[in-house]
Amino acid sequence: DVKVTQSSRYLVKRTGEKVFLECVQDMDHENMFWYRQDPGLGLRLIYFSYDVKMKEKGDIPEGYSVSREKKERFSLILESASTNQTSMYLCASSSGQGASVGYTFGSGTRLTVV
Amino acid sequence: AQSVAQPEDQVNVAEGNPLTVKCTYSVSGNPYLFWYVQYPNRGLQFLLKYITGDNLVKGSYGFEAEFNKSQTSFHLKKPSALVSDSALYFCAVRDDNTGGFKTIFGAGTRLFVKA
Repeated sequence: DVKVTQSSRYLVKRTGEKVFLECVQDMDHENMFWYRQDPGLGLRLIYFSYDVKMKEKGDIPEGYSVSREKKERFSLILESASTNQTSMYLCASSSGQGASVGYTFGSGTRLTVV
Repeated sequence: AQSVAQPEDQVNVAEGNPLTVKCTYSVSGNPYLFWYVQYPNRGLQFLLKYITGDNLVKGSYGFEAEFNKSQTSFHLKKPSALVSDSALYFCAVRDDNTGGFKTIFGAGTRLFVKA
C-alpha cells in the first residue's frame, strides 16, 4: 500500500521556536507539496518541489522554508513559529506525469503554536 | 488565474437519498478537475478526476461527478447516500497551462448523512 507519512500527528510548540515538519513517501514520486488547511479557507499551497534540491514557492510561503535533500523526503521548516501558523499541515506527493495525476496525501500534522 | 468555488459550507441529506455537492471553477486553459474526501483527523483521499472525454466520471465508493463545460461546473453526486459518507469534500482544479504543479482547492463542503 503506497504511503505518504508525516512524522507527527500533533505538535505543540512555543512562539519563536524553529519547527520541522517531516514528510516521507515510498512511491518514488517526483513531486511533493506542503499545504496548510484552515476552516473556511480550504487548502493553501505553501511550497512544492518537483525534483531533489528543487523548490518553488506556493501561494503563502512567508514564514516557511523547505528542504528536499532526498527524493523521498520533503521537510517544511517554520523559521520562527508564530501563533498565526497554528494550523493543520498536509503533505502530498504525485508522480511526474503531468497535470492529470491526482495527489496522495499524508494524514496531516496538527500544529499548535502557543 | 484559476479558482474553484464550493458554494455550500454544509450539505445535509437523509440516508438512502441522492446527494449532490456543488463545485464551479475558473481556468484559462483546459481544466483538470478532482474530488477528494477527508474523514476526521485524516488526510485527503482521492475520489475521482476529470481529464477529458466522457462528461460523467465514476470514482470510488459509488461516487460520480458530472463535468459541464458551459456552466463551468463539476458537481459530485451519489444516487444513494450512506451514513459513512459523512465527511469533508474538496473540489480541486488544475489548469493545463500551469505546468501541472499548482492545484487549487475549494474551501470544502461538509456532508452530513442522517440515518
